[in-house]
Amino acid sequence: SAVISQKPSRDICQRGTSLTIQCQVDSQVTMMFWYRQQPGQSLTLIATANQGSEATYESGFVIDKFPISRPNLTFSTLTVSNMSPEDSSIYLCSVEARGQGNYGYTFGSGTRLTVV
Amino acid sequence: KNQVEQSPQSLIILEGKNCTLQCNYTVSPFSNLRWYKQDTGRGPVSLTIMTFSENTKSNGRYTATLDADTKQSSLHITASQLSDSASYICVVSAGGGKLIFGQGTELSVKP
Repeated sequence: SAVISQKPSRDICQRGTSLTIQCQVDSQVTMMFWYRQQPGQSLTLIATANQGSEATYESGFVIDKFPISRPNLTFSTLTVSNMSPEDSSIYLCSVEARGQGNYGYTFGSGTRLTVV
Repeated sequence: KNQVEQSPQSLIILEGKNCTLQCNYTVSPFSNLRWYKQDTGRGPVSLTIMTFSENTKSNGRYTATLDADTKQSSLHITASQLSDSASYICVVSAGGGKLIFGQGTELSVKP
């Protein structure tokens, strides 16, 4: 299946600053997905990153707060802007493992963000 | 409303014992059901995926079952190991790439 390299793996940031998370995939994929996992919670989809067009955001998430770039079919970034302690979460990128057998979506290892 | 509910919320077992995790879903349309293992601080890793017509799927010591009529799935872990300690997440695909995530079962395997 696809291999995803996500970085940074963790960071501690001051409130009011921004952090950009990167995901690199070892193969070309049509869609990349960005998720947030708040402490003790399951994953929540933030947006779908489309190459060549603006990302599609889920209800409750806006581009000004979570701008996404998708310059090519193997790379995407998610920026968490003007951070507050409520943004402390694990952020994960994901791709659909098409044609790789029946193992569905592949996830990056996650970025553990703590905002102080 | 599309929902995936897992039970128990947490589970502690002794090393070597078996255990079964449950997943009930109300998702329509149903495309497939997946079980993921998520180690602390890591991303989820896929264990199994089953479509509507599949009743059981195994991956080593992990065996998943699916009853599409009752909309229930289970994940059975045989001869548990300390490394099985993790969160196990049931994910149902509603088609069109939309995934519905369960809250997860936190499994702790003790020596």
